[in-house]
Amino acid sequence: EAQVTQNPRYLITVTGKKLTVTCSQNMNHEYMSWYRQDPGLGLRQIYYSMNVEVTDKGDVPEGYKVSRKEKRNFPLILESPSPNQTSLYFCASSLMPDLSYEQYFGPGTRLTVT
Amino acid sequence: QQQVKQSPQSLIVQKGGISIINCAYENTAFDYFPWYQQFPGKGPALLIAIRPDVSEKKEGRFTISFNKSAKQFSLHIMDSQPGDSATYFCAATTSGSARQLTFGSGTQLTVLP
Repeated sequence: EAQVTQNPRYLITVTGKKLTVTCSQNMNHEYMSWYRQDPGLGLRQIYYSMNVEVTDKGDVPEGYKVSRKEKRNFPLILESPSPNQTSLYFCASSLMPDLSYEQYFGPGTRLTVT
Repeated sequence: QQQVKQSPQSLIVQKGGISIINCAYENTAFDYFPWYQQFPGKGPALLIAIRPDVSEKKEGRFTISFNKSAKQFSLHIMDSQPGDSATYFCAATTSGSARQLTFGSGTQLTVLP
């Protein structure tokens, strides 16, 4: 089954404790991205990657890091999480690095930082 | 700065009724306008999309109406069903862009049986 998977689905952590949210897709998509979803704000792009070893900032990159060492994986790293990073996070992928191609979203990771 | 404004924030419709969600954009470079449907506990999924060379696109019970001069587009759900109850997001981007898929704030639709 073609899909985007994320782990963990739920995470509660404390301020300053480094964490990684994994994202993997099995569709051989070139493009992957991370979004955060907050009430009243819709989805906002954090980082994106157009291919292996090619990453760039989205609209809200502060406090986040990413890497793309393999085509299928695109982990999101919070090196020192803060409470304002409490949010619902989605990974997405698409065939081409063009946002007019359909974006396939993962199931989401709900992160709480206390 | 929110470049895509979506309304209403929530909508309650009786089964069989018409649901209408509206979006307005500011950036005239946008040329691709998708709508995403999100069920609780799931990620958004593409529902229907339109480009500004047409004024309307219909897929089953779902129709997008597009008004380029007013910089507005809307989603109409005909014969709304309880299974349509979800959050709907409009979005906009420029073809060829890898960076800016700008989402509206979302509309929570409830269809009463």
